[in-house]
Amino acid sequence: LAKTTQPISMDSYEGQEVNITCSHNNIATNDYITWYQQFPSQGPRFIIQGYKTKVTNEVASLFIPADRKSSTLSLPRVSLSDTAVYYCLVGEKGGATNKLIFGTGTLLAVQP
Amino acid sequence: EAGVVQSPRYKIIEKKQPVAFWCNPISGHNTLYWYRQNLGQGPELLIRYENEEAVDDSQLPKDRFSAERLKGVDSTLKIQPAELGDSAVYLCASSLDPGTGPLHFGDGTRLSIL
Repeated sequence: LAKTTQPISMDSYEGQEVNITCSHNNIATNDYITWYQQFPSQGPRFIIQGYKTKVTNEVASLFIPADRKSSTLSLPRVSLSDTAVYYCLVGEKGGATNKLIFGTGTLLAVQP
Repeated sequence: EAGVVQSPRYKIIEKKQPVAFWCNPISGHNTLYWYRQNLGQGPELLIRYENEEAVDDSQLPKDRFSAERLKGVDSTLKIQPAELGDSAVYLCASSLDPGTGPLHFGDGTRLSIL
């Protein structure tokens, strides 16, 4: 099972771009990379998913280098409401045995 | 679309008592997951269902935990008897894709054992 490693916490200010990097050195060929956001007293919420290169949606971008051993979640111009825990997961699309393991996540604190 | 619905939101019981949590997944999602989240930790998978079949329950403490998903829709997770260490948030999630999701989570049930 591919294990992920993320920084425990990060600090930022409103309006800045935030990049959170996740290491997954033993990612398998069929694994996708998925990021979730969790606010206190809520369940995690899907942000973005990718396999290689770059994926962008209305809230974030995901950068994946050619070796796929890491990935970076980029949040443009963060606001106070982006303060949350961010989780990186790897798993095989359609994989019946995948456990979708969450790590401890990265606590992002955005200050005024 | 309606999200994953869990109840109750909070539950306080004394140790050795039984407790049950209920989950209604998003309509059409065949895959259902139960996770447990301890304070300051990420969610930990307890069991995964494909329709009504439990395809991965390797992390479920079977001596006191049980789960069912009758008719492949709603699911119930039960603990009997509850222990102090079971205090946590119990999250239910569902997905269309059994591999990578994305997972759609409910807001969980916060269980406190006295």
